[in-house]
Amino acid sequence: NAGVTQTPKFQVLKTGQSMTLQCAQDMNHNSMYWYRQDPGMGLRLIYYSASEGTTDKGEVPNGYNVSRLNKREFSLRLESAAPSQTSVYFCASSENPSGGLQETQYFGPGTRLLVL
Amino acid sequence: AQKITQTQPGMFVQEKEAVTLDCTYDTSDPSYGLFWYKQPSSGEMIFLIYQGSYDQQNATEGRYSLNFQKARKSANLVISASQLGDSAMYFCATHYDQGGKLIFGQGTELSVKP
Repeated sequence: NAGVTQTPKFQVLKTGQSMTLQCAQDMNHNSMYWYRQDPGMGLRLIYYSASEGTTDKGEVPNGYNVSRLNKREFSLRLESAAPSQTSVYFCASSENPSGGLQETQYFGPGTRLLVL
Repeated sequence: AQKITQTQPGMFVQEKEAVTLDCTYDTSDPSYGLFWYKQPSSGEMIFLIYQGSYDQQNATEGRYSLNFQKARKSANLVISASQLGDSAMYFCATHYDQGGKLIFGQGTELSVKP
């Protein structure tokens, strides 16, 4: 059971470089999410996709773009990386965006990103 | 606006004892869910337990139970018979706006002593 997978696990970028973080889930979930976690803090939502074909901004969307490629895959793109984007990035998925236990989000292992 | 508060940055507990991790929330939604996640030093986020605001009983999952006091807006996690493997960060979360978006507390670091 793979669950939610993320690539890469670790990445070092120089300021101004771009990159795409990949996320895939094999649980047939409808909703997918991208979070960032900074030291000593909880997770903050960057973008989410309630269902295939839709995306929307979360709490901290500036500097990021997303693509819901299909039901399984949801990518996060940094067009011009900045040191402030150094963080651990988590992808998550849930069966449905609302409605009891079905809204439980399951997380990938995370991507550690360092921007120099 | 929705808010989650975890007031205990760090907690210590003796192995085999019970421990309560505090979580208070503030939401304007009439219906909501509360979640607890565990984050061990390896970094992954592990779902532990869910409580719906209209659930009549407190949620339980093995050694984890949720002390849900709706009037006080608290959803404390109780871990019974602590084990060394319970040492981790614990996060409480609830929704904000709609669409399943979660807002997390800052977490409590639990250390279990042998």
